[in-house]
Amino acid sequence: GDSVTQMEGPVTLSEEAFLTINCTYTATGYPSLFWYVQYPGEGLQLLLKATKADDKGSNKGFEATYRKETTSFHLEKGSVQVSDSAVYFCALSRAGSARQLTFGSGTQLTVLP
Amino acid sequence: DGGITQSPKYLFRKEGQNVTLSCEQNLNHDAMYWYRQDPGQGLRLIYYSQIVNDFQKGDIAEGYSVSREKKESFPLTVTSAQKNPTAFYLCASSARTGNTEAFFGQGTRLTVV
Repeated sequence: GDSVTQMEGPVTLSEEAFLTINCTYTATGYPSLFWYVQYPGEGLQLLLKATKADDKGSNKGFEATYRKETTSFHLEKGSVQVSDSAVYFCALSRAGSARQLTFGSGTQLTVLP
Repeated sequence: DGGITQSPKYLFRKEGQNVTLSCEQNLNHDAMYWYRQDPGQGLRLIYYSQIVNDFQKGDIAEGYSVSREKKESFPLTVTSAQKNPTAFYLCASSARTGNTEAFFGQGTRLTVV
């Protein structure tokens, strides 16, 4: 079945540091890939997405590129802020799957001033 | 504005009681999902529904029940058979066709007292 593997957390960075959160996936066919962000006590919000190979999703300074050859969708940001502290989930959606959505386990990011 | 609404935000349950969590969406989505999230953990799928009057068990359905009588609504009942119901519950919806993203509610935090 489909699966998503994220790097283990928690991740702690200083403000203005470079961020990478690794995500790899296993799925048949051609899924779409997503990064969601969850702030404390809230639901998940879509951060960015990519629907086909080599697509780059971007939003709020975050970027991720859909790499089919390495089945990866790593999240990057060049300079993190304290306000980026949250839990980040990598996910895939595949229309041929009964459940359609598969999530990674989440990565807690803390940015220190 | 279209969106997905969960209520209540906080819910307290006595031992042995059933409680029902509400989830309503006005996004015209066919698919709806319930997830459970424990502190510091990822999402675990409880139930999902791809269409009205049909739903499927997820990975941790024991002690929970759902109904899908209307497209807009997918209530979750936490029964007394659920041994450890204290958790954060998230409802989501998505279109059923295509590799589409999910939209999440703000969550309900259930505490057994």
